[in-house]
Amino acid sequence: AQSVTQLGSHVSVSEGALVLLRCNYSSSVPPYLFWYVQYPNQGLQLLLKYTTGATLVKGINGFEAEFKKSETSFHLTKPSAHMSDAAEYFCAVIELTGGGNKLTFGTGTQLKVEL
Amino acid sequence: DTGVSQDPRHKITKRGQNVTFRCDPISEHNRLYWYRQTLGQGPEFLTYFQNEAQLEKSRLLSDRFSAERPKGSFSTLEIQRTEQGDSAMYLCASNLQGFEQYFGPGTRLTVT
Repeated sequence: AQSVTQLGSHVSVSEGALVLLRCNYSSSVPPYLFWYVQYPNQGLQLLLKYTTGATLVKGINGFEAEFKKSETSFHLTKPSAHMSDAAEYFCAVIELTGGGNKLTFGTGTQLKVEL
Repeated sequence: DTGVSQDPRHKITKRGQNVTFRCDPISEHNRLYWYRQTLGQGPEFLTYFQNEAQLEKSRLLSDRFSAERPKGSFSTLEIQRTEQGDSAMYLCASNLQGFEQYFGPGTRLTVT
C-alpha cells in the first residue's frame, strides 16, 4: 500500500521567508503525487501535481515541488511567504483502484506566517 | 461550472440519530468520491462511484454507513445510529478523467 509522511505538523515562517514543507512517500510503483491546500472550514484546493515528465513542477500561488525518486520525496517550496499562505497543506499520493483512483493523504502541515 | 457543492455545510445531531449528506459533483463528472477528515488528520478515503456504480468501499465504511448515486449525478451519504466517533468533516470530490480530484467545501458533522 502507498503512504505519505509529512514531517512537521506545524511550520512557522516570517513573511517574505522561504517556505519548505516536507513530504516523503512510500510506493511500490511510480507514484502520482499531489499537494493540496485547505483553508479553515473549506475543502481542498489543488496546488500542484506530479504524474510524469519534468520532476520540478510549478503550481498556483508561486508554489513548486520537486519529485526526487532517490529520496522518495516531494517537498513543497515557495521562495517568499505571504500572509495569505497561512493554511493547512496536505501531500497525497494516488492509488489506482477499480478504474478510478483514490488519494492517500499525509497528516498535514499547518503553515503559520508571521509579520 | 459551479464546482462541487455539499449540503448541509454543518450538521449537529444527537447520538443515535440518522443523518444524510448530499454531494453535487461538477456536471459531466462521472467519478465521485467520499472522504472523511477528523481533527488533525488528512482526509481518508471512504468510497468511490463511477456513474451510478459503487466500485470501492473502504473498511472505514461500517455497516452504519451507506452511500448512493442513483442516477449517476448527485450522491448521498447516510449514517445510521450516529456515534460520537462519527464527528468529522465529510468531503466529496469528483472528476471526469485523469488524476485531479475537485473537492467540495465539506459537511462538518458534530455528534453530541
